[in-house]
Amino acid sequence: KQEVTQIPAALSVPEGENLVLNCSFTDSAIYNLQWFRQDPGKGLTSLLLIQSSQREQTSGRLNASLDKSSGRSTLYIAASQPGDSATYLCAGVDNYGQNFVFGPGTRLSVLP
Amino acid sequence: DVKVTQSSRYLVKRTGEKVFLECVQDMDHENMFWYRQDPGLGLRLIYFSYDVKMKEKGDIPEGYSVSREKKERFSLILESASTNQTSMYLCASTDSYEQYFGPGTRLTVT
Repeated sequence: KQEVTQIPAALSVPEGENLVLNCSFTDSAIYNLQWFRQDPGKGLTSLLLIQSSQREQTSGRLNASLDKSSGRSTLYIAASQPGDSATYLCAGVDNYGQNFVFGPGTRLSVLP
Repeated sequence: DVKVTQSSRYLVKRTGEKVFLECVQDMDHENMFWYRQDPGLGLRLIYFSYDVKMKEKGDIPEGYSVSREKKERFSLILESASTNQTSMYLCASTDSYEQYFGPGTRLTVT
């Protein structure tokens, strides 16, 4: 059964730092990879989707990459801001679009 | 923009009550999901539906049932609410590529 880990579990950085969040899968046979942000008490907001034919996606200060051969994805946040403080989750999905497997999340705090 | 709405943000119910959580999406998606999220346990799939009147059990279906009479609406039913069902409930829909979530319902069972 597919399992997802995210490292680190929590991260605290000063404002302005660049940072990397990691996501690993036990089974590299995932189809798409999605990164989410979750604020306390709220739902998940989609940040980036990497489809099966892609290796990375960028949106503003965010860049996500996917290496299927190693079963790893990274989310890079440039010039972090206090407003980036949230929990970040990754999720992989099979090619039927029905079996989503979520990581436990990384809780990020960006200090002013 | 895809919009997924949930009927309530906060809900307080008593033990033994029958509870309905409603979820509506406006993008004609085939697949819809119900998760619960608890501290330290992450997101756990309760049920999902891949078409009207079609449903599949997820990882933790016990104590829950679902209904999908129309494509845009997916309801989660707690037949007899118990205190261990106090949780955040999240609904999602997908176009098979990207998953979209609702704002969540924080359910407290007393």
